[in-house]
Amino acid sequence: QQQVKQSPQSLIVQKGGISIINCAYENTAFDYFPWYQQFPGKGPALLIAIRPDVSEKKEGRFTISFNKSAKQFSLHIMDSQPGDSATYFCAASDSNSGYALNFGKGTSLLVTP
Amino acid sequence: DTGVSQNPRHKITKRGQNVTFRCDPISEHNRLYWYRQTLGQGPEFLTYFQNEAQLEKSRLLSDRFSAERPKGSFSTLEIQRTEQGDSAMYLCASSTSSGRSYEQYFGPGTRLTVT
Repeated sequence: QQQVKQSPQSLIVQKGGISIINCAYENTAFDYFPWYQQFPGKGPALLIAIRPDVSEKKEGRFTISFNKSAKQFSLHIMDSQPGDSATYFCAASDSNSGYALNFGKGTSLLVTP
Repeated sequence: DTGVSQNPRHKITKRGQNVTFRCDPISEHNRLYWYRQTLGQGPEFLTYFQNEAQLEKSRLLSDRFSAERPKGSFSTLEIQRTEQGDSAMYLCASSTSSGRSYEQYFGPGTRLTVT
């Protein structure tokens, strides 16, 4: 049973555009929501994360928006660059399970020049 | 570089053979996690350790899988009697158990191919 649902499966954005990836969860015990970036043949790299006590977090070109009542969160990549082309995974976890991560299925992002 | 390291990076084995992978976490991290990632999917949690204690196991961890962390430092994941369905990337991650204990940092993974 997929505990975190992610969409879209793939995304093509022009250079300079905004990339938006959405995730939804059901388990209200989740209290940590990270996004990971993964390049082919590499392990996932922590990109940005949010706790449910805030509705938005921004780090450089990357922003997480969090809607606790809707149990949804999203990643926005501003001024997307070809180097951002990768697979992005949202995840969720909670302290009850030692913060073991529950991942979405991933979004393959292609930023065209 | 003091990131998470995993060895070997690639392993090709024949069905029915046993394989063992090693993970060395970030030195000050006492939590260590194993995940499995199949092609086109997100990583799936297998098990985690706090120090040498194995605290949680996923139902994905069948009887053929065993993980150890004998001295609370490196960990090994063994798969016995490998099957073709075991072909995947095996990822290790580590974190601290205090402060920002929720932040996990992943290694490069071990790609297993069972022929």
